[in-house]
Amino acid sequence: DGGITQSPKYLFRKEGQNVTLSCEQNLNHDAMYWYRQDPGQGLRLIYYSQIVNDFQKGDIAEGYSVSREKKESFPLTVTSAQKNPTAFYLCASSIVPDTQYFGPGTRLTVL
Amino acid sequence: QKEVEQNSGPLSVPEGAIASLNCTYSDRGSQSFFWYRQYSGKSPELIMSIYSNGDKEDGRFTAQLNKASQYVSLLIRDSQPSDSATYLCAVNIGRGYQKVTFGTGTKLQVIP
Repeated sequence: DGGITQSPKYLFRKEGQNVTLSCEQNLNHDAMYWYRQDPGQGLRLIYYSQIVNDFQKGDIAEGYSVSREKKESFPLTVTSAQKNPTAFYLCASSIVPDTQYFGPGTRLTVL
Repeated sequence: QKEVEQNSGPLSVPEGAIASLNCTYSDRGSQSFFWYRQYSGKSPELIMSIYSNGDKEDGRFTAQLNKASQYVSLLIRDSQPSDSATYLCAVNIGRGYQKVTFGTGTKLQVIP
């Protein structure tokens, strides 16, 4: 059963804590993306990767970090430097940098 | 000017009617266009993609693209209450890594 999985579904972070969101795909897609969605706003690109061991900053990369050690995995770390991390985080992948398919999302809340 | 603009709505239509959702974009070099549906609390799911001027039909959905006027629309025929969701327009503006920019979405309410 092919698809994109994200875990956890809900995540709670304390002030000053780093947390890592998981994104895995078995679609054999080359490109992967991380977006953030806030209420009433569109999707904002955090980071993207077009190939293993390479990734680029998106529009709002400050306070976030990623790695792409395997084609199927693109984890996102929300660091303590991100001052307003409460949001819905969406991972997507595409076979070429065009039509993107989304995972189910992780809802992060700061306590 | 925003790169991709949508009316936030809500757009209310009666069940069985045609819902018309519109999107305008600023970059004339844009190459590909997408419509996603997002239910409350869920992730976006792809409905349709369109690349050429004209209409593209898939079941009850029709995407319309007019590059000269820089707009793309989505028509939903025979609207059902299950169509009630936010519809996101996305545009590949074709720069560098083929950046896809999303609009803020139009909320559609289908009234039974």
